[in-house]
Amino acid sequence: DIVLTQSPESLTVSLGERATINCKSSQSVLYSSNNKNYLAWYQQKPGQPPKLLTSSASTRESGVPDRFSGSGSGTDFTLSISSLQAADVAVYYCQQYFTTPPTFGQGTKVAI
Amino acid sequence: EVQLVGSGGGLVQPGGSLRLSCVGSGFNLGTYSMNWVRQAPGKGLEWISYIGPGGSDTDYADSVKGRFTISRDNAKNSLYLQMNGVTAEDTAIYYCARDAWGNSRPYFFDHWGQGIVVTVSS
Repeated sequence: DIVLTQSPESLTVSLGERATINCKSSQSVLYSSNNKNYLAWYQQKPGQPPKLLTSSASTRESGVPDRFSGSGSGTDFTLSISSLQAADVAVYYCQQYFTTPPTFGQGTKVAI
Repeated sequence: EVQLVGSGGGLVQPGGSLRLSCVGSGFNLGTYSMNWVRQAPGKGLEWISYIGPGGSDTDYADSVKGRFTISRDNAKNSLYLQMNGVTAEDTAIYYCARDAWGNSRPYFFDHWGQGIVVTVSS
């Protein structure tokens, strides 16, 4: 199984500042035939199900604010929140879908 | 609006059985692959099962293989998870999740149910 390791496990950011979350994969998730990275990011607020933020490493879902951006390729990925809002307090997970079983990182808790 | 509403959770004794259900609305569930993902208390997310649109393609995580069975009734826009031989390690919130891409295997999940609480305890 592919192991995803997120860092840091938690971070505290001031309102309006940038938050950066890293996700490192135990093997490349770049699918060569279509040059897409098979990696998604989710946001989970307390008591709620996860919400899909991005897929293919950097494609933002409809309705997701543009302060959220995903980047990276191969084995190293980043989710950035450019100007943290109170509504962004949550746990963030990366997930690979390059192989079965799909696996998740352990999560990063973002606080203000 | 896409909605997934789960039901069937509760308290079950070790070794017992439980059947979870998930009803979709706002979309034709029969044209999508579906999944179950669980989250143990205070823990991260674990994918546990997949079913293709027609119901013939299924897959399971090793942690539940041979004990859990995924099924669907497209006429009822419904997804199910039959849980047999449960242990304390199966205590979790269970989410049904729509697959954004898949028609042959699980990919990523664009809509999630609200979660079904399952507690395994004597």
